[in-house]
Amino acid sequence: GQQVMQIPQYQHVQEGEDFTTYCNSSTTLSNIQWYKQRPGGHPVFLIQLVKSGEVKKQKRLTFQFGEAKKNSSLHITATQTTDVGTYFCAGPEWMGTYKYIFGTGTRLKVLA
Amino acid sequence: GAVVSQHPSWVICKSGTSVKIECRSLDFQATTMFWYRQFPKQSLMLMATSNEGSKATYEQGVEKDKFLINHASLTLSTLTVTSAHPEDSSFYICSGGAFSYNEQFFGPGTRLTVL
Repeated sequence: GQQVMQIPQYQHVQEGEDFTTYCNSSTTLSNIQWYKQRPGGHPVFLIQLVKSGEVKKQKRLTFQFGEAKKNSSLHITATQTTDVGTYFCAGPEWMGTYKYIFGTGTRLKVLA
Repeated sequence: GAVVSQHPSWVICKSGTSVKIECRSLDFQATTMFWYRQFPKQSLMLMATSNEGSKATYEQGVEKDKFLINHASLTLSTLTVTSAHPEDSSFYICSGGAFSYNEQFFGPGTRLTVL
């Protein structure tokens, strides 16, 4: 089945530094979603990318979908303590119904 | 975004008992509901996908007789962990999806501890 890997697994940054997490799928994706899970919380949808090479921005967050639609990245500029959490990418798989396979996640810790 | 509730938020039970977890979409009709399990510091592992009025589709390695899923209506899905054992202790999260939405809406999760 489809596998979705993320690197790095963990990242500690000083507040104000930038952060990037990379997502790689074993198969070509029709779209990719990104979620954020705060410690002790549940995943919250951030964004969906659909087009090859697509770049979307949300304030300090920049999301990119690869040209081959097999990889994606999330970049945070000038991290803040509120950015702490685990970031997951998720790729769809069609098995009679759509389901999403979550990546392994990148846990971000921001040091004040 | 749309709201999904889960009940209970946490439960402690003895080994061998059954536990039912409810997942409700409060302000939208979830044509599809997903059940995930998450162990500490790990990713979300999809257990099963259920569509209203039909049998759930279980992921490979998930015992359907142990994890009973019922999606009786467009706003309610239940997961029953039968004869729970300590290794079933985990964080169980449901999510709801609909054709009109691109995203999944997650419930707050249920933390199950089996003694």
